[in-house]
Amino acid sequence: QSALTQPASVSGSPGQSITISCTGTSSDVGGYNYVSWYQQHPGKVPKLMIYDVSNRPSGVSNRFSGSKSGNTASLTISGLQAEDEADYYCSSYTSSIILDVVFGGGTKLTVL
Amino acid sequence: EVQLVESGGGLVQPGGSLRLSCAASGFTFTSYWMHWVRQAPGKGLVWVSRTNGDGSSTNYADSVKGRFTISRDNAKNTLYLQLNSLRAEDTAVYYCAKAQWLVPYYFDYWGQGTLVTVSS
Repeated sequence: QSALTQPASVSGSPGQSITISCTGTSSDVGGYNYVSWYQQHPGKVPKLMIYDVSNRPSGVSNRFSGSKSGNTASLTISGLQAEDEADYYCSSYTSSIILDVVFGGGTKLTVL
Repeated sequence: EVQLVESGGGLVQPGGSLRLSCAASGFTFTSYWMHWVRQAPGKGLVWVSRTNGDGSSTNYADSVKGRFTISRDNAKNTLYLQLNSLRAEDTAVYYCAKAQWLVPYYFDYWGQGTLVTVSS
């Protein structure tokens, strides 16, 4: 089972918007609305930012939004702030019999 | 407050074994699926295993199937991962993660992780 495909890095200036893509297959991202996104700062524990493709847990800023089209999910961060600099991972339920969940390889967001 | 505290990591030789533990508190442990996720140094997150609330259903990533065993003791609010036949590529920080109730494939709380190093 291959990991979901994410760009290795993205960057943006404070105040700008960026989008991180996450491409899977019809067995995961494309087949189910069970896509989530996690933020991980260096040396820290991952934090759930988006679930059900576009829902935010309580306490997550509305600057974070998610969407999906076909086999590709996207995370958009608007009004970039320095504190957003982190690694971001997408994740999806998969119908593969050899695992439940597949992660993307991660995207390093740099705020310039 | 939900808390997940892992323990049991350490340095082990190839072919050796370890048992990881994850002590849970702050929620009704038996009601939630629990997962193990690992992260090799400098690498991304990889799902390892999960168990349902009563431990009757489990699943494993292909890379660990037959070598790792997930279990839980609901009386002790503790999740376990038995790691056998360890390989260098199993070196990673192992996180236990609590699943959301409605869709048990989202991880809303994570432990701090425990480092497993497989090396001779």
